[in-house]
Order: sequence, then structure tokens, then C-alpha cells
Amino acid sequence: KQEVTQIPAALSVPEGENLVLNCSFTDSAIYNLQWFRQDPGKGLTSLLLIQSSQREQTSGRLNASLDKSSGRSTLYIAASQPGDSATYLCAVGAGDSNYQLIWGAGTKLIIKP
Amino acid sequence: GAGVSQSPSNKVTEKGKDVELRCDPISGHTALYWYRQSLGQGLEFLIYFQGNSAPDKSGLPSDRFSAERTGGSVSTLTIQRTQQEDSAVYLCASSLAKQGSNYGYTFGSGTRLTVV
Repeated sequence: KQEVTQIPAALSVPEGENLVLNCSFTDSAIYNLQWFRQDPGKGLTSLLLIQSSQREQTSGRLNASLDKSSGRSTLYIAASQPGDSATYLCAVGAGDSNYQLIWGAGTKLIIKP
Repeated sequence: GAGVSQSPSNKVTEKGKDVELRCDPISGHTALYWYRQSLGQGLEFLIYFQGNSAPDKSGLPSDRFSAERTGGSVSTLTIQRTQQEDSAVYLCASSLAKQGSNYGYTFGSGTRLTVV
């Protein structure tokens, strides 16, 4: 059974720092991996989607990597800003059918001005 | 439409009443998903539609929950005889995904349901 773990559960850093969020999964047979952010009381915003054949994706200050063999993904945020404060969720597309997302519990990120 | 639209955004209902939640997916997205997120918890899969059919209803918590999708587009999630434990944010997502394909998901802003 696929399990997704995100460490740390919470992270607080000063503005301007670069940081890394971690996501690990137990079964390397995934279709894709997606990073989302969730702001309090709101829905999810897709940040980056990495297909199973890809190693990384970049969007602005965000870079997500994928290492299927080790069951790991990282989300790198450069030059963090207070507006980056949110909960970051990773989800893998996996299972016998490719439609279902298996979710991590998220990392709550606080960027201190 | 440009994104996934959910309505209402907030719903407060009395225990025992029925509620209907609506999801309007991105035009052309054949796959539609309902998830539930309780306060402080992760996302819980409820049901998946491919077109108008629901191959997987395994996540529905009880027989009080049902969902349908018509015209390969709009979906409604119905909760009958609501209970306080049904209080949560109900999220809908759509995707171009089909069997064997490899697409991401777009989520709506959710419906916050409060049962009092």
C-alpha cells in the first residue's frame, strides 16, 4: 500500500532564506507527483507536476525534484517571502488505477518577515 | 470554464437535513474527483468519475453519501440526514486523466460544510 510522508510537519524560517520541503513515498511505481499549496480556509493550488519520466520541474522560485528509485521528492523554495506562508502538500498518482492521488499530511510553512 | 467551480462556498445546515454540493469541472476534463478534508486532517478520497460513470465509490463514508455526474460535466455530491461528523471542506478536482495517461489535477476552492 502506497504511503506518502512529509517531513517536517511544520517549518518556520526568516524571510529571504532558501528552504527545502521533503516528500517520501513507499512504492516507486507512481504515475506522477504533484505539489500543491493550501492557504487557510481555501482550496488547493497546484504548484508543480512531475511526470514519472521526469527528474525535476521549475516554476519561478520553485523547483521540485523526483527520485523514484529512492522514493523521494523535494520542493525547493528560493528567496522565501512572507507570501509563501501556507501548507504545502505532495501527492502521488499511483495505484492500480492511475486516477487516485495518495496524499501526504503536508508541511505548514511560516515565513517570518 | 477557466477553472473548477464549486458551490456553495459555505453551507451551514441543521443536523438531519439533506445537502447538495455542486462541482463544475474544467471544460473537456473527463475525470472528476471528490475529496473531503476535515479540520486539521489530510485529504480523504470520496469518489471518482470517468465521464458519467463512477468506477470507484470506495471512499464514500456511508450510504448517506451519493454522487452523480451528468453530461460528462457537472457533478453533485448529496449527503442525506447530515451528521455533525460530516462537517468538513469538500473539494472537487478535475483532470484530463484517463486510464494509462499521466495528467495533473485542478482543484476547486471547496465547499465548507458545517452541520449544527
